[in-house]
Amino acid sequence: DAGVIQSPRHEVTEMGQEVTLRCKPISGHNSLFWYRQTMMRGLELLIYFNNNVPIDDSGMPEDRFSAKMPNASFSTLKIQPSEPRDSAVYFCASTSLGSHEQYFGPGTRLTVT
Amino acid sequence: QQQVKQSPQSLIVQKGGISIINCAYENTAFDYFPWYQQFPGKGPALLIAIRPDVSEKKEGRFTISFNKSAKQFSLHIMDSQPGDSATYFCAASRAGNNRKLIWGLGTSLAVNP
Repeated sequence: DAGVIQSPRHEVTEMGQEVTLRCKPISGHNSLFWYRQTMMRGLELLIYFNNNVPIDDSGMPEDRFSAKMPNASFSTLKIQPSEPRDSAVYFCASTSLGSHEQYFGPGTRLTVT
Repeated sequence: QQQVKQSPQSLIVQKGGISIINCAYENTAFDYFPWYQQFPGKGPALLIAIRPDVSEKKEGRFTISFNKSAKQFSLHIMDSQPGDSATYFCAASRAGNNRKLIWGLGTSLAVNP
């Protein structure tokens, strides 16, 4: 199994630009989680999906952030417009029905200048 | 509001020593308590987990001790090795289909050779 796949691995963009992060969960997993990690705030859950449906988006910081999961094998996290305080490592994780173990991808390091 | 409090923030241990990381939780509805290990540049990975029906779980050099009445659980790493140097996160979740994990802020462990 290839594990959770995220792209890009690194993204450098200027303030005000749109950023799209992508995630492919492990095949057969039906829950997908988006996290943001910073030194100051640790690991924060932004949103999670069950069976492609958003269940809890209370961690999405503001309207500039949006996430979609159009099918079981693909999800995006979009930031528009981006700001320097959005600089962080963004992780995607997935898990299967009946399991609590979350499998994390390698992360996308986002730098907004 | 931090529902899972982790300490210490950082820890330095000599090779062969015992590393101990502690977590305390508030919500008595939590029934799953995992520890994740994260190496630099990687996503967190499940190390060991426990449910409240047992007081201890051991896997190799890693042991979780659980105190339900005190609402505390801890990770013990016996015979700590330089390869154990990583960031460790405790977490907790509730029973049922909601697999959202509530995370501690992490402990950076350095094992000196």
